[in-house]
Amino acid sequence: EAGVTQFPSHSVIEKGQTVTLRCDPISGHDNLYWYRRVMGKEIKFLLHFVKESKQDESGMPNNRFLAERTGGTYSTLKVQPAELEDSGVYFCASSQSHQETQYFGPGTRLLVL
Amino acid sequence: AQSVTQLGSHVSVSEGALVLLRCNYSSSVPPYLFWYVQYPNQGLQLLLKYTSAATLVKGINGFEAEFKKSETSFHLTKPSAHMSDAAEYFCAVRSPYEDMRFGAGTRLTVKP
Repeated sequence: EAGVTQFPSHSVIEKGQTVTLRCDPISGHDNLYWYRRVMGKEIKFLLHFVKESKQDESGMPNNRFLAERTGGTYSTLKVQPAELEDSGVYFCASSQSHQETQYFGPGTRLLVL
Repeated sequence: AQSVTQLGSHVSVSEGALVLLRCNYSSSVPPYLFWYVQYPNQGLQLLLKYTSAATLVKGINGFEAEFKKSETSFHLTKPSAHMSDAAEYFCAVRSPYEDMRFGAGTRLTVKP
């Protein structure tokens, strides 16, 4: 069974540009999470989807970040416009239920210059 | 509010020596506790988890962790380090109906 996949693996953009990250969860997992790790600090929660609905988006840093999960399958996280402090590794995870183990993808390494 | 503190951002051991990575948590309700590992250029992989069953939890690759409520700790151990254990290790806590909180990570180096 395929694990959580993320695309792209790396992205280098200039300040002010837009970037869209994609996450494909494990098939059948209704719960999808986005996390971010900035410059060697702790991994921080961004938001949680249950199917196509946002269950918790308390970790989203500001309104430059927009996450969607149309149809309850894959999810996208758009940063527009990107700022220098947005650089980091963005992880996606999925689980069957919120109480079950979260399985993580390999992450997208974003560098904003 | 829940939180995790990992003591030591870097730990170095010799091959064959004991590995001990420390994790202390704070939670107002009985938590779920996790250890994840990230090998170079890979994603996070679950090593083991505690979900209120046995306090000594065995995971993959010979790792285990013991939940000690009195010490609010969940330290990760392995009796004998192998070169392939070199990676970054993350402790995480999750209370029911709350999001996951991670520690800052501990990078383990194994010397030959």
